Amino acid sequence: EPEVTQTPSHQVTQMGQEVILRCVPISNHLYFYWYRQILGQKVEFLVSFYNNEISEKSEIFDDQFSVERPDGSNFTLKIRSTKLEDSAMYFCASITERQVNTEAFFGQGTRLTVV
Amino acid sequence: DAKTTQPTSMDCAEGRAANLPCNHSTISGNEYVYWYRQIHSQGPQYIIHGLKNNETNEMASLIITEDRKSSTLILPHATLRDTAVYYCIVSGRNSGYALNFGKGTSLLVTP
Repeated sequence: EPEVTQTPSHQVTQMGQEVILRCVPISNHLYFYWYRQILGQKVEFLVSFYNNEISEKSEIFDDQFSVERPDGSNFTLKIRSTKLEDSAMYFCASITERQVNTEAFFGQGTRLTVV
Repeated sequence: DAKTTQPTSMDCAEGRAANLPCNHSTISGNEYVYWYRQIHSQGPQYIIHGLKNNETNEMASLIITEDRKSSTLILPHATLRDTAVYYCIVSGRNSGYALNFGKGTSLLVTP
């Protein structure tokens, strides 16, 4: 069964450093998402991406965040200058097409720890 | 905030049916009801979705009331591996197709 792959599984970084979280969506999918989940809290939408541009973003997704699809397979989330409160699980998801009756496939997540 | 209301937690005996309710009284006509689950901080996993008709797949059944203001996810024969947090989500064009997760229902399946 096709799957969304995320690397690394765990990233530890110092406050103020830049991090890049990587995702390989399912190959024929066209819409990509990033979500985050702070420990013990709910899963929160960050951003959606289609056709090499952001479709929607939440208020969490401020200027410190950026997304990119640098090649035909990778989808990345960059945090420019990490803060302690950025510590969370980050999930990538992808769907085939943007309509209501579509299942989203999630990766297993990257646990980001900012120290 | 999420547009759904779910009980915080539920228990179910292994082998019995687990019935997880969800209220979504403000659902609009073009929004679907989705169910996802999350097993111990893994990535959310799709279970089932529906618009107004009842749906069944290999994992579960979804019963949607006629007025669409509530639904029930049914796991017909719960196993220990079904212990997870279950999320009921309404989504559609109005929400940009993003999934707005609430706190979900923590289901504990006991031996």
